This record gives sequence, C-alpha cells and structure tokens, in this order.
Amino acid sequence: AQTVTQSQPEMSVQEAETVTLSCTYDTSESDYYLFWYKQPPSRQMILVIRQEAYKQQNATENRFSVNFQKAAKSFSLKISDSQLGDAAMYFCAYRSAGTGNQFYFGTGTSLTVIP
Amino acid sequence: GAVVSQHPSRVICKSGTSVKIECRSLDFQATTMFWYRQFPKQSLMLMATSNEGSKATYEQGVEKDKFLINHASLTLSTLTVTSAHPEDSSFYICSARVGLGYGYTFGSGTRLTVV
Repeated sequence: AQTVTQSQPEMSVQEAETVTLSCTYDTSESDYYLFWYKQPPSRQMILVIRQEAYKQQNATENRFSVNFQKAAKSFSLKISDSQLGDAAMYFCAYRSAGTGNQFYFGTGTSLTVIP
Repeated sequence: GAVVSQHPSRVICKSGTSVKIECRSLDFQATTMFWYRQFPKQSLMLMATSNEGSKATYEQGVEKDKFLINHASLTLSTLTVTSAHPEDSSFYICSARVGLGYGYTFGSGTRLTVV
C-alpha cells in the first residue's frame, strides 16, 4: 500500500512570510495524483492544490505552490505571504490514477500563523 | 462547484444505540463514495468504499456489521454505526468522486460522541 509521510507535526510562520511544508510518499506506481488539503477548525477538508505525477511542471495556485520531485518522491507545499486565514491542519495526500481510488493521507502538519 | 451535504454535523448518542450519517451529493451523481474516520489530532483513515447499487468494500479491521453502509442511489450514501460504544466516538467524513476527472469533494464531517 502507498504511504504518505509528513515529518513536521507543527509549523509556525510569521504573517506575510513564507513557509514550506514537507511531504514524502512511497509508491511503486508511475501514474498518480498528489494533493494538499487544508482542514481548518471547522474540519471541512479544502483542496489547496493538486499535482499530476506525469506533469513535470510544479503546480501553483496563487500564493500556494509545490515542489514536486518525482524521483525523490517528495511533494512539498510552499505558502507565500502567509495570512492568518492560512492557519489550519494541512494534509498531504496520494491517490492512484484511474477511477474510484481512495486517498492516502499523511498525518498532517498543524500550521500556526503569528500576527 | 460540486457539493456533498453531510448530516448531522454533530450527534451525541447513548451507548448501545445506532446512529445514521447521511452524505448527499447535491448537484452531481456520486457513483463512488468513500467513508473516512478521523480521531483527534490524527489523519483520515479510510473505513470503506461504497459503489452505488453494490455492497461496500471495507478496509481491514473495520467491522462491516458495525458500520453499515448503504449506497442505494447515485446521490445518497449512508453510514450507520450500530450498537455504538464510546470508542466509536470520532469524526466521520465522506468523500465522493465528481464526474470523470480526478476531482473529489468532501462532506463537512460528523462528530459522533457516544456517552
């Protein structure tokens, strides 16, 4: 089975600064998707960004970008110009390509934004 | 965007009783629904996968007689926790695949407390 590892249980960042959350994964598959989800105190899972493994270009969504290193099986999330509303639990997730496949989630990183 | 409505958001029940949690896709047909459980400060763990019109597939260690999943229509999947015990207290989240792409959407979760 696939495994997703987030080695940073907690991170903090000053408002307006940049922070990088780490994620590594293990798989023998060549085609898959990677995601970062945000879970605020409301517990609603919110998609932050996704990356298709076949794409070499790193995904970006406004202040959020990833550093996808397929050979190293690494998928980090960079948050630029951090805002108070970014404070949440962040989960890295893996999903096989194809239909109907489940997510494998990491253990999460709790991000605190310091005013 | 695609929305999955999950109800109730919170429920408290007495030990030994049953609780039903509903996930309804509001503007799309959810052929596949995933049910996850999340313990405090932990990641989401897949419990089962349900496909419309067929029996659910349970992950190892999940009691199918205790966690009854019904996916009788393309817009509704239910999880019933039978004979609930305090150790079943957790946060339960459903997730549905949207369309033919790789988009998935999550319900807002149900916090179950068994007293």
